Amino acid sequence: EAQVTQNPRYLITVTGKKLTVTCSQNMNHEYMSWYRQDPGLGLRQIYYSMNVEVTDKGDVPEGYKVSRKEKRNFPLILESPSPNQTSLYFCASSTNVLARGRTGANVLTFGAGSRLTVL
Amino acid sequence: LAKTTQPISMDSYEGQEVNITCSHNNIATNDYITWYQQFPSQGPRFIIQGYKTKVTNEVASLFIPADRKSSTLSLPRVSLSDTAVYYCLATGFQKLVFGTGTRLLVSP
Repeated sequence: EAQVTQNPRYLITVTGKKLTVTCSQNMNHEYMSWYRQDPGLGLRQIYYSMNVEVTDKGDVPEGYKVSRKEKRNFPLILESPSPNQTSLYFCASSTNVLARGRTGANVLTFGAGSRLTVL
Repeated sequence: LAKTTQPISMDSYEGQEVNITCSHNNIATNDYITWYQQFPSQGPRFIIQGYKTKVTNEVASLFIPADRKSSTLSLPRVSLSDTAVYYCLATGFQKLVFGTGTRLLVSP
């Protein structure tokens, strides 16, 4: 089944304790992205990656790191989590229409979400 | 990257047609309009995408006027299960930015 898998789905941690949220997709997608969702603020993009070894900041990158060493994986790293990073996180992926010589905008497939609480 | 503006919320009843309009005044030539649906605690799900005129699929229609400064998502005969948040994006292939969306509540 084509899907984006995030782990963990739920996590409670403490301030300053490094954590990684993993994201993996099995659709051979070039494009991957991380979003956070907070009440009243919609979905905000943290980082995105157009392909392996190519990453770029979204609108709210502060406090986060990402890496894209393999096409299928795009982990989100919180080096020193703080309470304001308590949120619902979503990973998403899509084919990169530009890379495949197509027209249109990338259409995202989302993971089920990871609810993170930082105490 | 065009900023989009949508109504914060809309109410409807089962069986009615719902039209949600999105404004994207600064849409770029290469941008497409894409709509997503999100249920509570789930990731958004793609509904429909278009560039101009009208696009229809099995769940919705998308109307885009010639100037492309706005678009309208049309949901025919909504049911209770259409209660969700609907997001409009006017983007290409890089920064895919979601706004705050439109919360649609369908009542019996």
